[in-house]
Amino acid sequence: DQQVKQNSPSLSVQEGRISILNCDYTNSMFDYFLWYKKYPAEGPTFLISISSIKDKNEDGRFTVFLNKSAKHLSLHIVPSQPGDSAVYFCAASADTGNQFYFGTGTSLTVIP
Amino acid sequence: DGGITQSPKYLFRKEGQNVTLSCEQNLNHDAMYWYRQDPGQGLRLIYYSQIVNDFQKGDIAEGYSVSREKKESFPLTVTSAQKNPTAFYLCASRPFSGSRYTQYFGPGTRLTVL
Repeated sequence: DQQVKQNSPSLSVQEGRISILNCDYTNSMFDYFLWYKKYPAEGPTFLISISSIKDKNEDGRFTVFLNKSAKHLSLHIVPSQPGDSAVYFCAASADTGNQFYFGTGTSLTVIP
Repeated sequence: DGGITQSPKYLFRKEGQNVTLSCEQNLNHDAMYWYRQDPGQGLRLIYYSQIVNDFQKGDIAEGYSVSREKKESFPLTVTSAQKNPTAFYLCASRPFSGSRYTQYFGPGTRLTVL
């Protein structure tokens, strides 16, 4: 049973525009969320995280929004750059647990 | 430089052979993890370890075994019992097992069973 879902397998965005990647979760015990970026044949690279006590966290061009009532988080990339083209995974963890649960990923293509 | 190393980058084995994938970290992290990634799928947890000489099964542990004799090392053995071993394997670590600590990944090993 997939506890973290990324329903869009792919997304294409023009360079300079905003990219919005979405993630939904089902477990109400999750209280820490992360986004990773992954290139083919490489390990995921940590991008940004958010705790459930916040609804927004910003780091440069990357902003993560958390809507706890909807069990939904999103990653905004502004402005999008060709180097952002990669697969993005969201992940979630519960304070009472020892592991992260990952979504299936969204492949972002930023068109120059 | 601190980090997580996995070797080799690419590995080929004949069907029916056991193979061990290496994972080493010099970050002084307590917890270590093994994931498997297949095309179009997310990362699925195979095994994890919170402390030396202790480890727990993840969602897809069948056909795999691990050991944690040293804090910095967490090797994964893919046994002949694993029905579909060809995949991209990722090792990760984090300082502690509490949820506030981010998990960091190694570069991965692509295993192909012929």
